[in-house]
Amino acid sequence: QKEVEQNSGPLSVPEGAIASLNCTYSDRGSQSFFWYRQYSGKSPELIMFIYSNGDKEDGRFTAQLNKASQYVSLLIRDSQPSDSATYLCALRGRGGSYIPTFGRGTSLIVHP
Amino acid sequence: NAGVMQNPRHLVRRRGQEARLRCSPMKGHSHVYWYRQLPEEGLKFMVYLQKENIIDESGMPKERFSAEFPKEGPSILRIQQVVRGDSAAYFCASSEGSFSYEQYFGPGTRLTVT
Repeated sequence: QKEVEQNSGPLSVPEGAIASLNCTYSDRGSQSFFWYRQYSGKSPELIMFIYSNGDKEDGRFTAQLNKASQYVSLLIRDSQPSDSATYLCALRGRGGSYIPTFGRGTSLIVHP
Repeated sequence: NAGVMQNPRHLVRRRGQEARLRCSPMKGHSHVYWYRQLPEEGLKFMVYLQKENIIDESGMPKERFSAEFPKEGPSILRIQQVVRGDSAAYFCASSEGSFSYEQYFGPGTRLTVT
C-alpha cells in the first residue's frame, strides 16, 4: 500500500515569499511524482511531474525529489494570492502501476 | 480542443435513488479514470477503463457501484440505491495512454444525497 503524507496546513506565507510544500511517501518503489493544484470547489490541475532525483524547474515552480529520503517538495517563488489553493502530491509505482496515489493535500494561503 | 467534460455538474438524489454520472474524455484520449473526493480527504481512485473494457476496478465498492465506457458515447459511473455516505465530488480524468504521465481532470460532479 502506497502511503503519501502531507501536512494539511494551512501554510500561510506573505505575498512575494517562497512557499515550500512537502510530501513524504512510504513505497521505495515509487517511480514518478506529481503536484496538482486544486482551487476550492474545482478540479485538480497538474502543475509538475518529476521522476529523477534532483530539481526540476518550471517558471515560478520547482519540484525537488529525494528518493533516498523518500520525499518530494514543491517550491513556489514570488508567491501570489492567486496561488492560494490546496496542493496535492501524488505518486505512481513501478511500470505497470499506472494509478496514482494522492495525498490529502496542503492548503496554502498567500496573504497580501 | 475541449477538455474533459462531465455532467451533470451537480446532482441531488434522495436515498435509494440511482445516480448516473457521465464523462467524455479529451479528444484523442481513450483512457478514463474515476476518482471520488470526500470532504477533507484526498482523491481516491475508483476505476480505470478503456473503450469497452474495465482495466482496474480495485477502488470500486463491491456493491451498488458500476462503470462502463462503451464504444460510442461517454463513460458512465452508476451508483444504485444511493446512501448519504455517497455524497462526494466525483472526478473523471483521461489520458492518452496508460503510462502517460499526465491525467487531465474534468470539472467533477458534486453528488448530494438527501
